[in-house]
Amino acid sequence: AQTVTQSQPEMSVQEAETVTLSCTYDTSESDYYLFWYKQPPSRQMILVIRQEAYKQQNATENRFSVNFQKAAKSFSLKISDSQLGDAAMYFCAYRRRNTGNQFYFGTGTSLTVIP
Amino acid sequence: EAGVTQFPSHSVIEKGQTVTLRCDPISGHDNLYWYRRVMGKEIKFLLHFVKESKQDESGMPNNRFLAERTGGTYSTLKVQPAELEDSGVYFCASSQQPFYGYTFGSGTRLTVV
Repeated sequence: AQTVTQSQPEMSVQEAETVTLSCTYDTSESDYYLFWYKQPPSRQMILVIRQEAYKQQNATENRFSVNFQKAAKSFSLKISDSQLGDAAMYFCAYRRRNTGNQFYFGTGTSLTVIP
Repeated sequence: EAGVTQFPSHSVIEKGQTVTLRCDPISGHDNLYWYRRVMGKEIKFLLHFVKESKQDESGMPNNRFLAERTGGTYSTLKVQPAELEDSGVYFCASSQQPFYGYTFGSGTRLTVV
């Protein structure tokens, strides 16, 4: 069974600084997707970044980047130049590539950005 | 384009009562999913509709939960009778293709007292 672990229930970062959110996962599959989703308070969950397991290059989206370590089954999210609008709950998620389409989520990390 | 809409945004009910949650997916999205997050735990898959058919309902916790999607448009998730452990945030998502491009709603926070 697939499991996703986020070991940091809460994190905080000073505005303009960098923060890294951790995620590990367990799977016997070789081909899959990994995601980071962000949910601001009382708002919809939105996709931050996505990584395909067959790609060795780490995904980046502006200030957001990942450190994907396939052998270690680790998928951390780095937020650079943190902004107040980055404050949210962040969920790491896994999905198999071709069979089944449900997401497996972690428990989430609540990120506070300190002005 | 309008997003995925869920309502109510919050619901507080007593144990034993019935609650119906509604999800309006993005127009044209045949795939609709329900997920649930019990406080402090991971978000878990409940079920997946393709149009009006249940493609996968392996995550439904028990027969107190009934999901419907009449006409392949909006979906409802009814909990009857509600129990304390049903409290949590219920998310709906939709996608045009089954493997790609989920859009989530804001969720319904259900509290059973």
